[in-house]
Amino acid sequence: AQSVTQLDSQVPVFEEAPVELRCNYSSSVSVYLFWYVQYPNQGLQLLLKYLSGSTLVKGINGFEAEFNKSQTSFHLRKPSVHISDTAEYFCAVSYTGTASKLTFGTGTRLQVTL
Amino acid sequence: GAGVSQTPSNKVTEKGKYVELRCDPISGHTALYWYRQSLGQGPEFLIYFQGTGAADDSGLPNDRFFAVRPEGSVSTLKIQRTERGDSAVYLCASSFNSRQGGTQYFGPGTRLLVL
Repeated sequence: AQSVTQLDSQVPVFEEAPVELRCNYSSSVSVYLFWYVQYPNQGLQLLLKYLSGSTLVKGINGFEAEFNKSQTSFHLRKPSVHISDTAEYFCAVSYTGTASKLTFGTGTRLQVTL
Repeated sequence: GAGVSQTPSNKVTEKGKYVELRCDPISGHTALYWYRQSLGQGPEFLIYFQGTGAADDSGLPNDRFFAVRPEGSVSTLKIQRTERGDSAVYLCASSFNSRQGGTQYFGPGTRLLVL
């Protein structure tokens, strides 16, 4: 079965520190990769996505992610976080042949403190 | 412009009752998706529509769950004989079309609690 693994359920970090949220997926076929953010009491919002081309993808709010096919990973990074980045982050995959439905990881709670 | 809207935002019902959850997608979006998010989990795919037809309903857990989109816009997710295990946040998303890699825009969800 296709699956997405987010290794860290919670990541605490101080403001202005760098952060990396990890995502690995199972795949034997081509994939499209996404990161969504969910702020409290709000819907999921797309941060960035990888479809093809350059493996380094830049998104909104200063986030970026790197697609690594050999390691089947798509880790999310930000060089300097802000208090307002506190939220739940979900990695998602769309597998070739499954139309456009998304398979999500279990999420990583990013907690930014002063 | 207006995003995806879902009503009600919260629904409390008793075990065995019937519920309907409504999703109003972004105008012009032909693809519509339903997901279910249980506590502490990521969203799980239920069903998606391209236009009026259900193109993939492989995620519906059993025959108590049914969804319609009769005019290719608003969709209703229907749950019969609700069970406590159905308690979750039900998310709706829409995209311009169902082309793979397209961005799905999510609504705020309906929080269903079955007592």
